[in-house]
Amino acid sequence: ETGVTQTPRHLVMGMTNKKSLKCEQHLGHNAMYWYKQSAKKPLELMFVYNFKEQTENNSVPSRFSPECPNSSHLFLHLHTLQPEDSALYLCASSKTSGGANTGELFFGEGSRLTVL
Amino acid sequence: GQQLNQSPQSMFIQEGEDVSMNCTSSSIFNTWLWYKQDPGEGPVLLIALYKAGELTSNGRLTAQFGITRKDSFLNISASIPSDVGIYFCAGQLNDMRFGAGTRLTVKP
Repeated sequence: ETGVTQTPRHLVMGMTNKKSLKCEQHLGHNAMYWYKQSAKKPLELMFVYNFKEQTENNSVPSRFSPECPNSSHLFLHLHTLQPEDSALYLCASSKTSGGANTGELFFGEGSRLTVL
Repeated sequence: GQQLNQSPQSMFIQEGEDVSMNCTSSSIFNTWLWYKQDPGEGPVLLIALYKAGELTSNGRLTAQFGITRKDSFLNISASIPSDVGIYFCAGQLNDMRFGAGTRLTVKP
């Protein structure tokens, strides 16, 4: 139990569906992240939020839409995905210090997404 | 850029053997971290290094922050079956970059 909870753990969707991934952290952190994990590739940073404000969008296609209503919750809204978007989507959180995170990320267990 | 080269990609070892893996980069980092990911789980932080030359242990794990700030290694001594998993290095300057991982298999 890392203090970061992701739901659902598994999701299968068609290319025309709209779905959302949810992340909640109970660590009192102020920064939250979405990462994409594909087999045998480095973790790919997608989005970063500091104090609910998006500070990084790593050239992610608009079919992925993040939402951060408060420092404890993060969503990833999915719409018109492609089969190559199938991957493990990891949420993480960290403390912030003067606007820069401390480097220690706490990850959730991930949401395994399959796009048919 | 800040790409990390992690090696080896995979290792198959016998229980009780020592393990060594490393990460190198052409860029310098201020922080090096090592994470482990068990099947079906997210990565969990093992060791964090904040100073060039720093050598830190966590039980049977030892990691070092290279003097040049461009590399780091992780050693596991006397491996056991529960060491199985994927080990990731991560380096941070302005943002955090991850290596592609080392998949460790331990045969009893």
